[in-house]
Amino acid sequence: DSGVTQTPKHLITATGQRVTLRCSPRSGDLSVYWYQQSLDQGLQFLIQYYNGEERAKGNILERFSAQQFPDLHSELNLSSLELGDSALYFCASSPRPLAGLYNEQFFGPGTRLTVL
Amino acid sequence: AQKVTQAQTEISVVEKEDVTLDCVYETRDTTYYLFWYKQPPSGELVFLIRRNSFDEQNEISGRYSWNFQKSTSSFNFTITASQVVDSAVYFCALLDSNYQLIWGAGTKLIIKP
Repeated sequence: DSGVTQTPKHLITATGQRVTLRCSPRSGDLSVYWYQQSLDQGLQFLIQYYNGEERAKGNILERFSAQQFPDLHSELNLSSLELGDSALYFCASSPRPLAGLYNEQFFGPGTRLTVL
Repeated sequence: AQKVTQAQTEISVVEKEDVTLDCVYETRDTTYYLFWYKQPPSGELVFLIRRNSFDEQNEISGRYSWNFQKSTSSFNFTITASQVVDSAVYFCALLDSNYQLIWGAGTKLIIKP
């Protein structure tokens, strides 16, 4: 158990709908990352938040948005869903990096999204 | 461009055999980090190792060992005396200068009893 929690575990919805995925980082971790894992694209970095602020953006679609709240939990919002958005969505967290070092990311169990 | 290549899509060996998973990376950064993660059938991603670009020492952890060679831009992973529980997809990843993880496509490892 990595200490990162994600809800829900599974989500089935229809095209055109909007869903929200939730992530709670490990206690004390300030950074939250979102990744998408699909069969055709593999693992892709979507977005990173650090202590409530957006830090880095990857291959995140405009239909997707995220935020990190004052209690450090994060939500990933996916709207106007398409069949191709079906994937496993991971959240990861890491502590504040030490000077000159980088801490590994610890991953949650993922949310499997199925768009029908 | 930053890139991670895991050329082996799938490897199948019999239990107790040694197996090496290859990882080749490309980066323009002089400081970078490399990682290996394991994804068992249950789906979670499990951190195995982190290596920074200034530390070329090989590492051994039980049956697992890693060989980092900057000269060939490779960070290979060897499992000695493989076990059925090692069956999983293994990912190599590179942390770029924007602190984004660039992932390889993964190698599916099948250990047959």
